[in-house]
Amino acid sequence: NAGVTQTPKFQVLKTGQSMTLQCAQDMNHEYMSWYRQDPGMGLRLIHYSVGAGITDQGEVPNGYNVSRSTTEDFPLRLLSAAPSQTSVYFCASRDGTVNSPLHFGNGTRLTVT
Amino acid sequence: GENVEQHPSTLSVQEGDSAVIKCTYSDSASNYFPWYKQELGKRPQLIIDIRSNVGEKKDQRIAVTLNKTAKHFSLHITETQPEDSAVYFCAASPTGFQKLVFGTGTRLLVSP
Repeated sequence: NAGVTQTPKFQVLKTGQSMTLQCAQDMNHEYMSWYRQDPGMGLRLIHYSVGAGITDQGEVPNGYNVSRSTTEDFPLRLLSAAPSQTSVYFCASRDGTVNSPLHFGNGTRLTVT
Repeated sequence: GENVEQHPSTLSVQEGDSAVIKCTYSDSASNYFPWYKQELGKRPQLIIDIRSNVGEKKDQRIAVTLNKTAKHFSLHITETQPEDSAVYFCAASPTGFQKLVFGTGTRLLVSP
């Protein structure tokens, strides 16, 4: 099992550009989520999904879109990048059992200039 | 919604000492409390977790305690080693685990 795979590892964007951060998991997990990590602010939930076709907002959803067309994939879209979106992004997944642990990907470091 | 506060933000200890990191949460319905360790440039990884029906859990040098009445939980690391140096995050999850809310992290530095 590869676990949770994120691409790209690094990305630099100019303000106003769009891009998609990719996340895939091969563990047949129902639950997938996106977090952003900023210095001194911990991990903040952006969006999450409890299964294919179902998504919901987390703590900081503005400026981001998600979709879940398959169990395996959960891409995060930035429609018009802003410098405030400079961060490290982590995708995470877990199975459907109560209180099962989150498995994180290796992260994507995004810089918006 | 749930809010998790974590203290201290940084903690420096000598090798062999104990380290304690404390978290408080706001939602009395939360019932799952994991701790994650994140080494520099790496992803967060689960090191221990506790459910609300348990007051304490131990795994070798790591232990977690939970006080549901006071709504706080703590991570205890004994006999610290330099490889324990990392950022540690606590988290809390309300019933149903739809959202896992993290604390702001504690940077632990263990000096030889």
